[in-house]
Parts: sequence; structure tokens; C-alpha cells
Amino acid sequence: DTAVSQTPKYLVTQMGNDKSIKCEQNLGHDTMYWYKQDSKKFLKIMFSYNNKELIINETVPNRFSPKSPDKAHLNLHINSLELGDSAVYFCASSPFGYEQYFGPGTRLTVT
Amino acid sequence: AQKITQTQPGMFVQEKEAVTLDCTYDTSDQSYGLFWYKQPSSGEMIFLIYQGSYDEQNATEGRYSLNFQKARKSANLVISASQLGDSAMYFCAMREKGGADGLTFGKGTHLIIQP
Repeated sequence: DTAVSQTPKYLVTQMGNDKSIKCEQNLGHDTMYWYKQDSKKFLKIMFSYNNKELIINETVPNRFSPKSPDKAHLNLHINSLELGDSAVYFCASSPFGYEQYFGPGTRLTVT
Repeated sequence: AQKITQTQPGMFVQEKEAVTLDCTYDTSDQSYGLFWYKQPSSGEMIFLIYQGSYDEQNATEGRYSLNFQKARKSANLVISASQLGDSAMYFCAMREKGGADGLTFGKGTHLIIQP
């Protein structure tokens, strides 16, 4: 069984559109995260979500918003997509403070 | 200032040799964690090894060991008896503040194992 899953794996869309990426974990972890990996492979935390407490990296534009319907899901909504949003987005989960388990990533391409 | 520094953008190593990937970190927290992840060309992020700041012994997981030198703020990954399948990007990462803010990653080292 997949521990952390993301859908879709690939997402190609035009500038200005709104899109969502879904993430689910079946590990029973308390905390979930979203990371962005840019074209130079640099990984940066975007959000962490623990027991309904959201911590936002201050550099993330407010066009990005996480939504957690329940403990096992943390979806990422992106409004008014821009070319610079093209990247690989990783969801991750962990028992609070310990190693994080990553999903397979979603490659977003904005044209 | 960078919190995680990986000074080797790329490395070429002969198969079966041992490899050391460098990582230095910067934090004022007393409690923190250090992690290494592997990212093969297929793109997934694979957790390799973890070292807590209060752990007195170096962490080991199979062929992976973490050479933790707290005073030098160094957390190098050692891979023994390298294999062709070890070719990948390797990322060092740190957890601070109890983990609430996620991991801070280094820029990575691209390791290529040559036959």
C-alpha cells in the first residue's frame, strides 16, 4: 500500500488557471507538509499542518492555500497560476518532529 | 546565511568505494534533527537516515552511516561499498523548533557511481 500518495502526477495548465493537487497519507501521522522543488532541485517548505494548526512559510504567495478535510488529507490549491509556479510539488507526512515520508511528487507545468 | 550547506555539487566515485557526502548546518536550537534523503532520477524522495542532536552515537542504517560532529556542526553521510544504484541526488536536511516548520534542505549533491 502506498504510504503517501499524490494526484495528479503530472499537471499541465495555462497561466491564470486555478488548480488543485491532492495528497493522502495512510500512515496515521499527525503532521503533513507541502514542499516545492524548483528547476535547480532546491526543496523549500511551503506549509506544515498539524492538528488543524497551519504554519505558512512567509515567502509563499497567498495564491497558494492548503486545505485539510481530515487528518489524512492535505490538498494544495493554487489560484491564478503563473509561469514561475512551474515546479515539482511534494507532499510529506511525519509523526510530529521525526522523519518525513514523501509522496511521489506532482510535476506542474504552467504554459 | 544558509542553514544547511552541502559543498559538493557533484561527485564521481568508483563502484565499491566508500563515499562521504558533506553537510554542515547552522542552528541556535539545542534540540534539532538531521536527515539525509536520496532522490534518484525517477524523482521520489527516499528517507535514508536520521540523527537527533542529543544522540551520542552516530546513526547507522545498513550501508549508510551519519558522521555527526556536533561541535563542528557537521553531519556527513557515509555510504560504504557503493553500488551503481546509489547514483542519485542526496539531500541533507534539518528540523528545528520541534518540527513545526518542516525541514530545511541543502542544495544537494549529485552522486554518480562509475563501474
